Amino acid sequence: AQSVTQLGSHVSVSEGALVLLRCNYSSSVPPYLFWYVQYPNQGLQLLLKYTTGATLVKGINGFEAEFKKSETSFHLTKPSAHMSDAAEYFCAVSLPNAGGTSYGKLTFGQGTILTVHP
Amino acid sequence: DAGITQSPRHKVTETGTPVTLRCHQTENHRYMYWYRQDPGHGLRLIHYSYGVKDTDKGEVSDGYSVSRSKTEDFLLTLESATSSQTSVYFCAISGEGNEQFFGPGTRLTVL
Repeated sequence: AQSVTQLGSHVSVSEGALVLLRCNYSSSVPPYLFWYVQYPNQGLQLLLKYTTGATLVKGINGFEAEFKKSETSFHLTKPSAHMSDAAEYFCAVSLPNAGGTSYGKLTFGQGTILTVHP
Repeated sequence: DAGITQSPRHKVTETGTPVTLRCHQTENHRYMYWYRQDPGHGLRLIHYSYGVKDTDKGEVSDGYSVSRSKTEDFLLTLESATSSQTSVYFCAISGEGNEQFFGPGTRLTVL
């Protein structure tokens, strides 16, 4: 079974500062990894995903994440925070859906609320 | 945006009453999922479907049932609602690539 741990339920940064949201996972096989963002009173929107290939993944809104197998991590970063980045961020893991065997089920972390100060 | 709608968007009901939430998609995706979101727990999978009439339980399925009679519709039923089922419910859909697209959510309050 997979699991996801997001370190820090709340992260606060100043506008223009580096954003670093931490995610560690546990999986019996090489997983697929995702970051989603949720703005208040909205559904979840995919920021980026890692399936195979290049371990540094670039997403929308200037975010990127690096898959580090040796550290079982998939931390999310953005060089310069913007006020509009304030939201809740979720890391998620799934098994590859080879042959439809995993059904693409996602296991989510607990979420990290990002606050951006002027 | 993926074509996913959920209805109702808000509902207040009383303990012991049945409740049905509907998820409708226009993407013809094979996989559909129901999650609940609670503070400190992230999203937890309730049930999922991998085809018409093909469903299975997720992590927190007790007290919930689902049905999928058409590709586009996935229904979540609370047979007898309890206060512990007060939550925000999200439907998601997925094709073959594991990436899930989420609906806008239904906020359910059980008094």
